[in-house]
Amino acid sequence: DADVTQTPRNRITKTGKRIMLECSQTKGHDRMYWYRQDPGLGLRLIYYSFDVKDINKGEISDGYSVSRQAQAKFSLSLESAIPNQTALYFCATSDPNSRNEQFFGPGTRLTVL
Amino acid sequence: TQLLEQSPQFLSIQEGENLTVYCNSSSVFSSLQWYRQEPGEGPVLLVTVVTGGEVKKLKRLTFQFGDARKDSSLHITAAQTGDTGLYLCAGAEGSGYALNFGKGTSLLVTP
Repeated sequence: DADVTQTPRNRITKTGKRIMLECSQTKGHDRMYWYRQDPGLGLRLIYYSFDVKDINKGEISDGYSVSRQAQAKFSLSLESAIPNQTALYFCATSDPNSRNEQFFGPGTRLTVL
Repeated sequence: TQLLEQSPQFLSIQEGENLTVYCNSSSVFSSLQWYRQEPGEGPVLLVTVVTGGEVKKLKRLTFQFGDARKDSSLHITAAQTGDTGLYLCAGAEGSGYALNFGKGTSLLVTP
């Protein structure tokens, strides 16, 4: 089984809808991250959490919120989706003792119409 | 703000050729990582370099960290079609900081 799983893998939604992307990990890592990837723009950090009680904004947090329900679960919400949030979203985990080496999930392809 | 600049952005070569991709920054990093991403998948860690001037080899891939810990290079010898993918560098300013990723170099190796 994969160490980092993301659900759903693909989602098509309409402008204004609320969307939640979920991430679960079995690696036992304290640190979890949400990124979005757009062609030509690379990976950009949305939010990150260094432990269950810690949430930090990344480079592009506007329009997104997160919840760290447990060490193993970190969800990303789009309260009111807009078309420019169409992107590939990745969850990642890391161990603070390993120089933040990241383990990525398989990604969620989100399309907002 | 993108702290890490990767070049070239795209590279198309034939099997057997050698290539080098670069990752440059004006910031000093405590460590620098290289990832490879294949279509439809998440990035996978290839290597982490920590010490200025460090060289690490992974089969046909050679990674070097600059003496000042601001830049890095990835050299591939005798490229194979299986090397095709997006190569990303990422730097950490310290253990308490999140990673900063470059935009990546998209490599296509043709037979």
